[in-house]
Amino acid sequence: EAQVTQNPRYLITVTGKKLTVTCSQNMNHEYMSWYRQDPGLGLRQIYYSMNVEVTDKGDVPEGYKVSRKEKRNFPLILESPSPNQTSLYFCASSLGSGRAQETQYFGPGTRLLVL
Amino acid sequence: AQRVTQPEKLLSVFKGAPVELKCNYSYSGSPELFWYVQYSRQRLQLLLRHISRESIKGFTADLNKGETSFHLKKPFAQEEDSAMYYCARSDSNYQLIWGAGTKLIIKP
Repeated sequence: EAQVTQNPRYLITVTGKKLTVTCSQNMNHEYMSWYRQDPGLGLRQIYYSMNVEVTDKGDVPEGYKVSRKEKRNFPLILESPSPNQTSLYFCASSLGSGRAQETQYFGPGTRLLVL
Repeated sequence: AQRVTQPEKLLSVFKGAPVELKCNYSYSGSPELFWYVQYSRQRLQLLLRHISRESIKGFTADLNKGETSFHLKKPFAQEEDSAMYYCARSDSNYQLIWGAGTKLIIKP
């Protein structure tokens, strides 16, 4: 089944403990993106990647890192999580080079709580 | 700054009544506009885009450049339309800018 997967789906951690949220797509999509969703704020883009080894900052990149070593994977790394990073995180991918006209396919979301 | 505004956090209508979810965007060139939907326990998914001029699940949305609006409409709401709806527009870097979302509840 063509889809975007994220792991873990739920995570509780403590301030300062490094964590990684994985994202993988099996659709051979070039474009991948990470969003965070917070009440009243909608989705805000953290980082995106147009292709392998190409990543760019979105609107709220502070405190996050990403890498795109292979086409299918786009992990989100929180080197030193803080409580203000408690949020619902979505990974998305699309076929082409990231133009907004491309339909984005979303993962199921990862709910993160940083204590 | 480029923005998308969905003024209603929550919209509740009775089954069979018309529905209109409002979306206004900040003017900047010729943006692409989209509506995405998230049903309960499902993933966020594309509902429709303005360039397609299509009707999906009975929903339509017309781009009004004069009013910078892209309201989502359906003449007769159904219970299965209950969901979270997000309006989004493209920005100058071809990324999407999202509204805060409107939760639509269809009452039986």
